[in-house]
Amino acid sequence: EVLLVESGGALVQPGGSLRLSCAASGFIFSDHHMDWVRQAPGKGLEWVGRSKNKFESHTTEYAASVKGRFTISRDDSENSLYLQMHSLRTEDTAVYFCMMFFYGEPFWGLGALVTVSS
Amino acid sequence: DIQMTQSPSTLSAFVGDRVTITCRASQSVSTWLAWYQQKPGKAPKVLIYKASSLESGVPSRFSGSGSGTEFTLTISSLQPDDFATYYCQQYNTYSPYSFGQGTKLEIK
Repeated sequence: EVLLVESGGALVQPGGSLRLSCAASGFIFSDHHMDWVRQAPGKGLEWVGRSKNKFESHTTEYAASVKGRFTISRDDSENSLYLQMHSLRTEDTAVYFCMMFFYGEPFWGLGALVTVSS
Repeated sequence: DIQMTQSPSTLSAFVGDRVTITCRASQSVSTWLAWYQQKPGKAPKVLIYKASSLESGVPSRFSGSGSGTEFTLTISSLQPDDFATYYCQQYNTYSPYSFGQGTKLEIK
Protein backbone atom coordinates (compact mmCIF):
# COMPACT_ATOMS: atom_id res chain seq x y z
CA GLU A 1 0.00 0.00 0.00
CA VAL A 2 1.34 3.41 -0.98
CA LEU A 3 1.84 5.66 2.03
CA LEU A 4 3.16 9.23 2.12
CA VAL A 5 3.81 11.03 5.41
CA GLU A 6 4.93 14.66 5.57
CA SER A 7 6.75 16.19 8.52
CA GLY A 8 8.59 19.36 9.47
CA GLY A 9 5.81 21.92 9.36
CA ALA A 10 6.29 24.87 11.70
CA LEU A 11 5.81 28.56 12.40
CA VAL A 12 8.63 30.57 10.81
CA GLN A 13 9.33 34.27 10.49
CA PRO A 14 9.31 36.04 7.13
CA GLY A 15 12.67 35.64 5.45
CA GLY A 16 13.32 32.40 7.29
CA SER A 17 13.97 28.88 6.10
CA LEU A 18 12.37 25.51 6.68
CA ARG A 19 12.75 21.97 5.36
CA LEU A 20 9.83 19.61 4.91
CA SER A 21 10.20 15.87 4.56
CA CYS A 22 7.99 13.24 2.98
CA ALA A 23 8.53 9.61 3.96
CA ALA A 24 7.31 7.19 1.31
CA SER A 25 6.55 3.48 1.44
CA GLY A 26 4.73 0.81 -0.52
CA PHE A 27 6.40 1.34 -3.88
CA ILE A 28 9.82 1.54 -5.52
CA PHE A 29 10.57 5.13 -4.65
CA SER A 30 13.34 5.74 -7.19
CA ASP A 31 11.08 4.68 -10.08
CA HIS A 32 8.54 7.46 -9.59
CA HIS A 33 8.21 11.20 -9.96
CA MET A 34 7.37 12.90 -6.67
CA ASP A 35 5.58 16.23 -6.37
CA TRP A 36 4.84 18.91 -3.80
CA VAL A 37 1.46 20.68 -3.81
CA ARG A 38 0.31 23.40 -1.42
CA GLN A 39 -2.93 24.95 -0.32
CA ALA A 40 -3.09 28.38 1.29
CA PRO A 41 -5.86 28.94 3.85
CA GLY A 42 -9.22 29.14 2.10
CA LYS A 43 -7.63 28.81 -1.35
CA GLY A 44 -7.28 26.17 -4.04
CA LEU A 45 -4.55 23.65 -4.75
CA GLU A 46 -1.27 24.88 -6.22
CA TRP A 47 1.47 22.70 -7.70
CA VAL A 48 4.84 23.63 -6.17
CA GLY A 49 7.34 21.40 -7.91
CA ARG A 50 8.58 17.95 -8.89
CA SER A 51 11.51 15.59 -8.51
CA LYS A 52 11.56 13.24 -11.47
CA ASN A 53 12.44 9.56 -11.21
CA LYS A 54 15.88 7.99 -11.60
CA PHE A 55 15.25 7.34 -15.30
CA GLU A 56 15.08 11.11 -15.78
CA SER A 57 18.06 11.72 -13.52
CA HIS A 58 16.00 13.18 -10.69
CA THR A 59 15.69 16.48 -12.52
CA THR A 60 13.52 19.05 -10.79
CA GLU A 61 10.87 21.51 -11.93
CA TYR A 62 9.31 24.39 -10.00
CA ALA A 63 6.36 26.73 -10.11
CA ALA A 64 7.28 30.30 -10.97
CA SER A 65 6.06 31.44 -7.53
CA VAL A 66 8.77 29.45 -5.72
CA LYS A 67 11.58 29.13 -8.28
CA GLY A 68 14.89 30.30 -6.86
CA ARG A 69 13.64 30.09 -3.26
CA PHE A 70 12.56 26.44 -2.92
CA THR A 71 14.66 23.35 -3.66
CA ILE A 72 13.32 19.81 -4.00
CA SER A 73 15.62 16.88 -3.33
CA ARG A 74 15.26 13.20 -2.59
CA ASP A 75 17.15 10.37 -0.97
CA ASP A 76 16.24 7.15 -2.72
CA SER A 77 18.11 5.08 -0.11
CA GLU A 78 15.81 6.53 2.56
CA ASN A 79 12.66 6.64 0.41
CA SER A 80 12.37 10.30 1.29
CA LEU A 81 11.49 13.51 -0.51
CA TYR A 82 12.45 16.95 0.75
CA LEU A 83 11.36 20.53 0.22
CA GLN A 84 13.90 23.12 1.33
CA MET A 85 12.30 26.54 1.56
CA HIS A 86 14.28 29.79 1.85
CA SER A 87 13.31 33.47 1.91
CA LEU A 88 9.85 32.53 3.10
CA ARG A 89 7.05 35.03 2.62
CA THR A 90 3.70 35.39 4.34
CA GLU A 91 2.07 34.20 1.11
CA ASP A 92 3.91 30.86 1.46
CA THR A 93 1.66 30.07 4.43
CA ALA A 94 -0.08 26.86 3.43
CA VAL A 95 -0.52 23.17 4.00
CA TYR A 96 2.13 21.38 1.94
CA PHE A 97 1.31 17.96 0.52
CA CYS A 98 3.57 15.46 -1.17
CA MET A 99 1.90 13.38 -3.82
CA MET A 100 2.66 10.90 -6.55
CA PHE A 101 0.98 8.88 -9.24
CA PHE A 102 1.38 5.12 -9.05
CA TYR A 103 0.68 3.88 -12.59
CA GLY A 104 -1.87 6.63 -13.08
CA GLU A 105 -3.53 6.48 -9.65
CA PRO A 106 -2.89 9.47 -7.34
CA PHE A 107 -1.71 9.20 -3.76
CA TRP A 108 -1.41 12.05 -1.28
CA GLY A 109 -0.01 12.56 2.16
CA LEU A 110 -2.03 14.27 4.89
CA GLY A 111 0.00 17.45 4.65
CA ALA A 112 2.25 19.64 6.81
CA LEU A 113 1.27 23.14 7.90
CA VAL A 114 3.76 25.94 7.30
CA THR A 115 2.90 29.30 8.82
CA VAL A 116 5.01 32.31 7.89
CA SER A 117 4.34 35.11 10.33
CA SER A 118 6.15 37.53 12.60
CA ASP B 1 1.80 25.11 -19.10
CA ILE B 2 -1.67 23.58 -19.21
CA GLN B 3 -4.48 25.67 -17.71
CA MET B 4 -7.54 24.01 -16.20
CA THR B 5 -10.87 25.82 -16.18
CA GLN B 6 -13.45 24.34 -13.85
CA SER B 7 -17.12 25.29 -13.71
CA PRO B 8 -19.23 26.23 -11.94
CA SER B 9 -17.32 27.73 -9.02
CA THR B 10 -20.32 27.27 -6.75
CA LEU B 11 -23.22 24.88 -7.10
CA SER B 12 -26.33 24.70 -4.93
CA ALA B 13 -28.36 21.51 -5.04
CA PHE B 14 -30.80 19.35 -3.09
CA VAL B 15 -30.16 15.93 -1.64
CA GLY B 16 -31.11 13.48 -4.38
CA ASP B 17 -30.22 15.81 -7.28
CA ARG B 18 -27.98 14.80 -10.17
CA VAL B 19 -25.11 17.27 -10.57
CA THR B 20 -22.34 17.72 -13.10
CA ILE B 21 -19.07 19.62 -12.78
CA THR B 22 -17.00 20.42 -15.87
CA CYS B 23 -13.27 20.82 -16.34
CA ARG B 24 -11.63 22.09 -19.53
CA ALA B 25 -7.94 21.87 -20.33
CA SER B 26 -6.13 24.45 -22.46
CA GLN B 27 -4.59 21.58 -24.47
CA SER B 28 -5.09 17.86 -24.66
CA VAL B 29 -4.22 15.84 -21.56
CA SER B 30 -5.52 12.57 -23.06
CA THR B 31 -7.19 10.88 -20.06
CA TRP B 32 -4.64 12.03 -17.46
CA LEU B 33 -7.31 13.69 -15.33
CA ALA B 34 -8.25 13.15 -11.70
CA TRP B 35 -11.16 14.39 -9.59
CA TYR B 36 -10.95 15.05 -5.86
CA GLN B 37 -13.34 15.81 -3.03
CA GLN B 38 -12.05 17.99 -0.21
CA LYS B 39 -13.56 18.87 3.14
CA PRO B 40 -12.22 21.61 5.45
CA GLY B 41 -8.97 20.72 7.15
CA LYS B 42 -8.56 17.48 5.21
CA ALA B 43 -6.35 16.29 2.36
CA PRO B 44 -7.99 15.87 -1.03
CA LYS B 45 -9.76 12.54 -1.40
CA VAL B 46 -9.37 10.76 -4.73
CA LEU B 47 -12.68 10.06 -6.47
CA ILE B 48 -11.75 9.42 -10.10
CA TYR B 49 -8.44 8.94 -11.93
CA LYS B 50 -7.55 8.39 -15.58
CA ALA B 51 -10.69 10.43 -16.33
CA SER B 52 -13.16 7.62 -15.62
CA SER B 53 -11.63 5.06 -13.22
CA LEU B 54 -13.48 4.98 -9.91
CA GLU B 55 -11.16 4.93 -6.91
CA SER B 56 -11.58 1.89 -4.69
CA GLY B 57 -14.12 2.52 -1.94
CA VAL B 58 -15.76 5.50 -3.64
CA PRO B 59 -19.53 5.12 -4.08
CA SER B 60 -20.75 4.31 -7.57
CA ARG B 61 -22.91 7.45 -7.67
CA PHE B 62 -19.67 9.24 -8.65
CA SER B 63 -18.60 8.92 -12.27
CA GLY B 64 -16.16 10.66 -14.59
CA SER B 65 -16.02 11.00 -18.34
CA GLY B 66 -14.15 12.78 -21.09
CA SER B 67 -10.84 12.85 -22.87
CA GLY B 68 -8.62 15.38 -24.55
CA THR B 69 -9.74 18.76 -23.23
CA GLU B 70 -13.28 18.24 -21.87
CA PHE B 71 -14.09 16.33 -18.72
CA THR B 72 -17.06 15.93 -16.41
CA LEU B 73 -17.67 14.65 -12.91
CA THR B 74 -21.24 13.50 -12.27
CA ILE B 75 -22.87 12.67 -8.96
CA SER B 76 -26.01 10.75 -9.80
CA SER B 77 -27.94 11.29 -6.56
CA LEU B 78 -26.50 13.72 -4.04
CA GLN B 79 -26.13 12.51 -0.49
CA PRO B 80 -25.60 14.74 2.58
CA ASP B 81 -21.94 13.64 2.82
CA ASP B 82 -21.26 14.89 -0.73
CA PHE B 83 -21.44 18.58 0.14
CA ALA B 84 -17.79 19.61 -0.17
CA THR B 85 -15.38 21.24 -2.59
CA TYR B 86 -14.35 19.39 -5.75
CA TYR B 87 -11.18 19.83 -7.81
CA CYS B 88 -9.94 18.46 -11.10
CA GLN B 89 -6.23 17.90 -11.77
CA GLN B 90 -4.44 17.18 -15.02
CA TYR B 91 -1.33 15.06 -14.75
CA ASN B 92 0.30 15.03 -18.12
CA THR B 93 3.89 14.42 -16.98
CA TYR B 94 5.32 16.53 -19.81
CA SER B 95 3.83 19.57 -18.09
CA PRO B 96 3.56 20.82 -14.51
CA TYR B 97 0.46 19.36 -12.91
CA SER B 98 -2.36 21.88 -12.65
CA PHE B 99 -5.69 22.10 -10.90
CA GLY B 100 -9.06 23.57 -11.56
CA GLN B 101 -10.14 26.45 -9.34
CA GLY B 102 -12.54 24.25 -7.40
CA THR B 103 -16.33 23.85 -7.20
CA LYS B 104 -18.02 24.36 -3.85
CA LEU B 105 -21.11 22.18 -3.67
CA GLU B 106 -23.64 23.60 -1.24
CA ILE B 107 -26.95 22.38 0.14
CA LYS B 108 -29.94 24.22 -1.32
